[in-house]
Order: sequence, then C-alpha cells, then structure tokens
Amino acid sequence: ETGVTQTPRHLVMGMTNKKSLKCEQHLGHNAMYWYKQSAKKPLELMFVYSLEERVENNSVPSRFSPECPNSSHLFLHLHTLQPEDSALYLCASSQVATGTYEQYFGPGTRLTVT
Amino acid sequence: GENVEQHPSTLSVQEGDSAVIKCTYSDSASNYFPWYKQELGKRPQLIIDIRSNVGEKKDQRIAVTLNKTAKHFSLHITETQPEDSAVYFCAARDDKIIFGKGTRLHILP
Repeated sequence: ETGVTQTPRHLVMGMTNKKSLKCEQHLGHNAMYWYKQSAKKPLELMFVYSLEERVENNSVPSRFSPECPNSSHLFLHLHTLQPEDSALYLCASSQVATGTYEQYFGPGTRLTVT
Repeated sequence: GENVEQHPSTLSVQEGDSAVIKCTYSDSASNYFPWYKQELGKRPQLIIDIRSNVGEKKDQRIAVTLNKTAKHFSLHITETQPEDSAVYFCAARDDKIIFGKGTRLHILP
C-alpha cells in the first residue's frame, strides 16, 4: 500500500497494558500528525511533528507519548489508558506543517480499551 | 483560540438534489480552507480546497465559496448521487489546522 500506512489496524488492550501504534508515510513529506476520532469529537488533533520535531501538543494526557524517529515514521506509545480513550486513531502527513498543503490520512487504528 | 463551526450535523437530500454544508471560523488570519470526505470505514480524503485570495472554486459537481469578511465558507454538491453519502469535514488553517465537527450526508433514493 502506498501513501500513509498504519499498524495495527485493530487493537484491544487492557488498562494496564503498554502498546504502540505505528505510522509510515511513503510520500516524502516533512510533517506528520496524530488525530483521535470518536463520536464525541470527530477529528481531534493530538500532535504535530515537523522535520522530526514536535511542534504541537494539544493538551493530550501524558498516557499518550508520541515519537518521531525520522520524517517517514511516527509512533504513538500508549500506557495505562482509560476506556474513554477507545477511538479511531488516524495518522496523517503533509508536505510541510504549515500553509496550504493537503493532509494525507492513513487508514487508522481502531483502539478498544477494556 | 481558533474555532470552526460546521452546520448541519446531519443532512438528508433526495438523489439529484443539491446539498449545502456551511462553516464559520474565528481566526481572521486563516488562509486555507480544505474540505475532506470520509466514507464509512475509510480514511478522510481531500475533495476540494480554497485559498483566501479566491472567492469561489468549482470542480465538476462540487463547489466551495468563501466570504472572508463574514468568515464563512460553504460546500455545494449539485446533482447528488448515492456515492456522495459520507461525512464531510471542513477545516480552516493559519499556522495550525482546525476541523469542524463534520456533517453526515445521506443521499435518499
């Protein structure tokens, strides 16, 4: 699959587990994003990385920890989550983090916290 | 902070009729306004966008209008078809992008 890929596509975890979501973009972009999508807040921006540097953190709880080792990969490390964290987590990338550039979304990871 | 309001949250139109979705934004510095379509179980995808130096843009059955003075922009879909059924998100961007809460569009047969 080209474009933006995410693994796993589905994840069920207990509140004491530690897991990681992975995103990879094959578009040569310099900016990557994590979004949370739920019925309550359809597209909630969590983090923005530009050239591997975090440039935005929208008051996300510390139980979510992003990591961007290079401009093609983005991770979201999860630990001690709550049931209300169950949602679809979307990764996206764009050419740069600002300006008039389209965001390309991945297929998402459907996370269920039990 | 920046806020984007989107209305309506749900819209049902008869196949062949037109659909209009409206958004307002609060940051007058916003200069880019994309619209994304998300079909059931799929990822959001850009369908049309408009920049602040343009008042209207059209692509086949889809058009977007922008009123910078009033700080609102709208998506117009004409001759609606079943495949137009989806959730549509507007967004406004200056240095950061803010999405509206989405409109679930149902095309009735």
